[in-house]
Amino acid sequence: DVKVTQSSRYLVKRTGEKVFLECVQDMDHENMFWYRQDPGLGLRLIYFSYDVKMKEKGDIPEGYSVSREKKERFSLILESASTNQTSMYLCASSLPSSGANVLTFGAGSRLTVL
Amino acid sequence: AQSVTQLGSHVSVSEGALVLLRCNYSSSVPPYLFWYVQYPNQGLQLLLKYTTGATLVKGINGFEAEFKKSETSFHLTKPSAHMSDAAEYFCVLSNTGNQFYFGTGTSLTVIP
Repeated sequence: DVKVTQSSRYLVKRTGEKVFLECVQDMDHENMFWYRQDPGLGLRLIYFSYDVKMKEKGDIPEGYSVSREKKERFSLILESASTNQTSMYLCASSLPSSGANVLTFGAGSRLTVL
Repeated sequence: AQSVTQLGSHVSVSEGALVLLRCNYSSSVPPYLFWYVQYPNQGLQLLLKYTTGATLVKGINGFEAEFKKSETSFHLTKPSAHMSDAAEYFCVLSNTGNQFYFGTGTSLTVIP
């Protein structure tokens, strides 16, 4: 089974702190994604990456950056955390395909910014 | 334009009753459709997927969904609800590539 691991399940940070959320997948997937989940809004794409050092902005990239230095690892960075970034963050990965890509998700990182 | 609408953000059923979670989609090209389930404080798990071919798709835990092109629907059903089915369910649309369109989710409550 593909495993997507988000090392930090629960974090509490203060406004202005720099926050790193790490995601590691173990099945050599090219594509990796960061989503934000908020009640009533579903999942919204922050960034995705289709290869090492490659990234594409999603629907809500403002206030976030990403890093993909190795194929298996995709990091989400909040340069200066704000209270409106309190949310559940979900990492996912998939193989590239001309057909149906299936997303495999990590367990999520719940971030609270005080 | 691609979009997904899940009708009903909250659905309650009695244990043993039929589960029906509704999903309608809009897509300008043939869609791939998925249902994912999310248990509390966990990530999303794939329940089932429709790509091409048979329009009735069977998934895990007794769930199934039927792709109806004429109705642009992909409703999720289970004949008999179990307490362990209580979770959030997401309908997801994809075309080829890396674009995924999520519904806003339906929270299923199972009443004993």
